[in-house]
Amino acid sequence: DARVTQTPRDKVTEMGQEVTMRCQPILGHNTVFWYRQTMMQGLELLAYFRNRAPLDDSGMPKDRFSAEMPDATLATLKIQPSEPRDSAVYFCASGPPRGGNGKPSPQHFGDGTRLSIL
Amino acid sequence: GQQVMQIPQYQHVQEGEDFTTYCNSSTTLSNIQWYKQRPGGHPVFLIQLVKSGEVKKQKRLTFQFGEAKKNSSLHITATQTTDVGTYFCAVYGSSNTGKLIFGQGTTLQVKP
Repeated sequence: DARVTQTPRDKVTEMGQEVTMRCQPILGHNTVFWYRQTMMQGLELLAYFRNRAPLDDSGMPKDRFSAEMPDATLATLKIQPSEPRDSAVYFCASGPPRGGNGKPSPQHFGDGTRLSIL
Repeated sequence: GQQVMQIPQYQHVQEGEDFTTYCNSSTTLSNIQWYKQRPGGHPVFLIQLVKSGEVKKQKRLTFQFGEAKKNSSLHITATQTTDVGTYFCAVYGSSNTGKLIFGQGTTLQVKP
């Protein structure tokens, strides 16, 4: 089965360090989403792309977070400098283009990156 | 912006009992999706509903979309320990840009 691949699976680092998370969407999918999940806030959308173009990053703290898609097979989410409050599970999800009937497509999630900032 | 309220937040049931989670919106929805996240796992797509009053079944799971398309429910008959996890409803933002808004989820615990 095709799947979304995220690396690293776990990351522990000290406050102030740069963190880079990577995502390989499913081949043929043209939308990519970055989510952050915490117990308190649930699933929050940070940013998403369609055809590699950023469409919405309003959920992302701009001063320290950045999201890019250098090519169709790679999406990155960077935090610089990292802070303890950034500790969370970060999910990447991808979705196929809408079908001819116009129905929205389901999102396919990766296993996530569990980030701990000490 | 588009928001959905999901209740209850937590539910503990004895194995064999039924379970229902509800998702409510103040605005009419074009469609709704349901996802399940096992403990330590990632959300997995279950189903999508698009028609008013639509009912879909997957084995012991029954999904309904309200007549007014403002609410939806997921009902599990005779729960099993494999049903443990968090169930999320998700709807698309009103801007129709493909942005999926997730409810807070209902976490189900099943006692054997």
